[in-house]
Formats: sequence, C-alpha cells, structure tokens
Amino acid sequence: GAGVSQSPRYKVAKRGQDVALRCDPISGHVSLFWYQQALGQGPEFLTYFQNEAQLDKSGLPSDRFFAERPEGSVSTLKIQRTQQEDSAVYLCASSWGGLAGSTGELFFGEGSRLTVL
Amino acid sequence: GDSVTQMEGPVTLSEEAFLTINCTYTATGYPSLFWYVQYPGEGLQLLLKATKADDKGSNKGFEATYRKETTSFHLEKGSVQVSDSAVYFCALTRSGGYQKVTFGTGTKLQVIP
Repeated sequence: GAGVSQSPRYKVAKRGQDVALRCDPISGHVSLFWYQQALGQGPEFLTYFQNEAQLDKSGLPSDRFFAERPEGSVSTLKIQRTQQEDSAVYLCASSWGGLAGSTGELFFGEGSRLTVL
Repeated sequence: GDSVTQMEGPVTLSEEAFLTINCTYTATGYPSLFWYVQYPGEGLQLLLKATKADDKGSNKGFEATYRKETTSFHLEKGSVQVSDSAVYFCALTRSGGYQKVTFGTGTKLQVIP
C-alpha cells in the first residue's frame, strides 16, 4: 500500500531482551518521526529524522533507545534491555516537509504494540 | 514547553447529538493547530487544521476555530453519527523549524444509536 507501514504489529518481549521495530514511510517523505503512546495517553515524541539525519532525539527516554534511518527511507527503533515501563505502542509518522516547512500534517502507521513481561 | 490540554473522556452521546470537545494550548509564538482522529484498529489521521488566528478548520462535518485570545481550538459537530466513535487528539506544531507535533491525551467519543 501507499501508507506508512510498521512491523511487527505486536511484539512480546521478556524483560532484558532487545527489540527492533521497523518503519517504512511513505515514499518520498523527507521527515520521519517516532512517537511512544502509553495506554490511554496521547503520543509522546521520541525522535525526528530529516532524510538520514537524526536532528532531534530529545524525547528518547534513556540510552537504551536508539533509532536509525541509514538511507533516508526505512527506519528502525531499537530498544535494548527492555523494561516493563517500555510497554507501549510505538508509532511512526512521516511527512513530506523538512526544515523548509510543511503543512505539519503527519501520516501515521498503525503502530507496533510492545508488551514487556 | 509546548502543551495541549483537552477534556477527559469518555464522552458518550446519542446519535444526532451536538458534540463539543474542548482543547486549550500553551505555546510560544503562533502555532498551527490540529485535530487528529484514531478510529478503532486504525492509525491516527488528520481530521482538520488551522494555521493562524481566527482560521476555521473543517472536515466531515467537524469544525474548530483557532482562538488566540483564549488559546483554544474546540472541536464541534452539529450531529454525530455512530461512525464518529473514535479517539480525538488535539495537537499543535510551532511555526518555523521542523514540524514536531505535540499531542493532547485524547478524548474517546462513543456514539450510541
């Protein structure tokens, strides 16, 4: 399809395991965002890429969280040594605009639901 | 920092009732304001937006007016339908720079026949 695709949709991990979440943005979209959405809450910003450059990672909660977008398209969010508090839905969003400005409209994937036992 | 406050849910309405979901914001400068909607089992999608004071965003019968004097962007619909049942998120992004979007906590709307 032409939308933002995320995988896996559901992931169960034991505490201490590493996980990797993948995002395929809409083709040609310059900007890519990762958000974390806890149950009953709004999405919280994690990090932002413009093409392959990670311009803002101020929302990453700890150094266990790492994101990359090496070729300016697909992105991976990696969480090392998962903890129970990492349980959430991880949302990826893309938009065509970069620093030069855009409508501010984000196109979201359906999210990856992570449960840490 | 930037923040968005919206009324807590869930909101339960009968079909054809009038809907208001309140949203207020705190931000420096002149942000753009948005309402996003999340239908069951789907990703968030933009419902409507307004980019400057007194602008009215509208879509699918929903409306919201950017009120700078009250820092508000309340969502309204004159007659809700069962298909409007979803979670609604108010959001903002600052003008200039890249478009990081700050979201409220969401308001769940349930419309009953």
